[in-house]
Order: sequence, then C-alpha cells, then structure tokens
Amino acid sequence: RKEVEQDPGPFNVPEGATVAFNCTYSNSASQSFFWYRQDCRKEPKLLMSVYSSGNEDGRFTAQLNRASQYISLLIRDSKLSDSATYLCVVTRGGTSYGKLTFGQGTILTVHP
Amino acid sequence: EAQVTQNPRYLITVTGKKLTVTCSQNMNHEYMSWYRQDPGLGLRQIYYSMNVEVTDKGDVPEGYKVSRKEKRNFPLILESPSPNQTSLYFCASTARPDLYNEQFFGPGTRLTVL
Repeated sequence: RKEVEQDPGPFNVPEGATVAFNCTYSNSASQSFFWYRQDCRKEPKLLMSVYSSGNEDGRFTAQLNRASQYISLLIRDSKLSDSATYLCVVTRGGTSYGKLTFGQGTILTVHP
Repeated sequence: EAQVTQNPRYLITVTGKKLTVTCSQNMNHEYMSWYRQDPGLGLRQIYYSMNVEVTDKGDVPEGYKVSRKEKRNFPLILESPSPNQTSLYFCASTARPDLYNEQFFGPGTRLTVL
C-alpha cells in the first residue's frame, strides 16, 4: 500500500461545479498535511495547509480526519483556472522527521 | 524576490557522464530537499537536508549524492547517470518541514539520460 494515495482522476467538471478530492495516508505518525497545486509539469505551489480543525480559503475547503487517516479538498464554484493537478502532501515525524511524501496527484479539468 | 533557482533547466546527457544540478535559495531556509517526478509515480523525495552539513536519504536515494556546504546551496550529483534517472527534478526549501511552512520549489530540471 502506498503511503499516500489519491484518486488520480481525471475529474472533468463544468464551470460552477463543486468537486471534492480525497487523500488517504497510512502512517499514523504523520504530522502536517497540505494540498499543493501543479500546473502542466511546472513547479508545485502551496494551495493550502490542512489543519485539524479544518480550514477554508475562499472557494476552497480542506479537512483532516486523523481517526480515518484521510484529508479532503473541496472546491466550490469551479473556474476554468482551477484546471491543474492537485497534490496531497504529508510530512512525517519521529525518526522520519524531515521526510515528505506526495500523493501521485489528482487531475482536474474544468470545462466551459 | 524570494526564490529557489535550479540550473540547468534542461539537460540531455549520456550514460555514465557525471553531472551536477545546482539548487540555490535566497530565503535563509534551513531545510532543502530534492524530488524527482515521474508519470504515474508523483513526486518522490531523493535527499533532504535539515541544515548545513546535515543530509539524509529520502525514499529514492540510489544513484544520487548531495552536499550542503552552505545554507543557500544544495547541489544534486549524479556520479554515473543511467537512463532510469531520466526524470523531472525539483529542488525545494522551507524554514522547517514539520510546522505548517510552505515549501518553495524551483522551476524544475528536465534530465534525459541516453
């Protein structure tokens, strides 16, 4: 089993749709959680961190469920510019402090 | 401007010819890391460095070396490149990896080993 797993998609949605991505992680010692966005093989850029209490940034909502070991990203009112690959990122603690693990990414295409 | 730079951006080389990909950051970050990205596999961590002279293996360190002699630089060395090291490489830096600090990525280096 991969340490961090995402549904690779692709997700094809119309503008204005709501879309949700999930990401599961297997290491219960994981410490920090993030969603990054990557456009067409360019460098990944931070979209948002995922806090235990859940957090929202405009049209984006991220949630963490430590008991079930998954994080989610909800995008409301999708825009064409949201088309990208969304990467789930988990940092480890303990003896693996400093190691980061990326999911393989979920491809989103928003069409007119 | 805060940034991570990598050079070269594109490189085509032949099997066995030693090469170095440079990475430099101007944010005084302690933590730096190298990743490779391959289709279907996502980004995988090669090596990381918590500070000057402190480096550690990531998930796929075989065939790579790194050094951290200065805080700002973290070169990736391929002593004897092989075709299976053809990939897109990213360098990244952050203040600390355990807190909710953003990782800043360089623009990537496309390496082809023939």
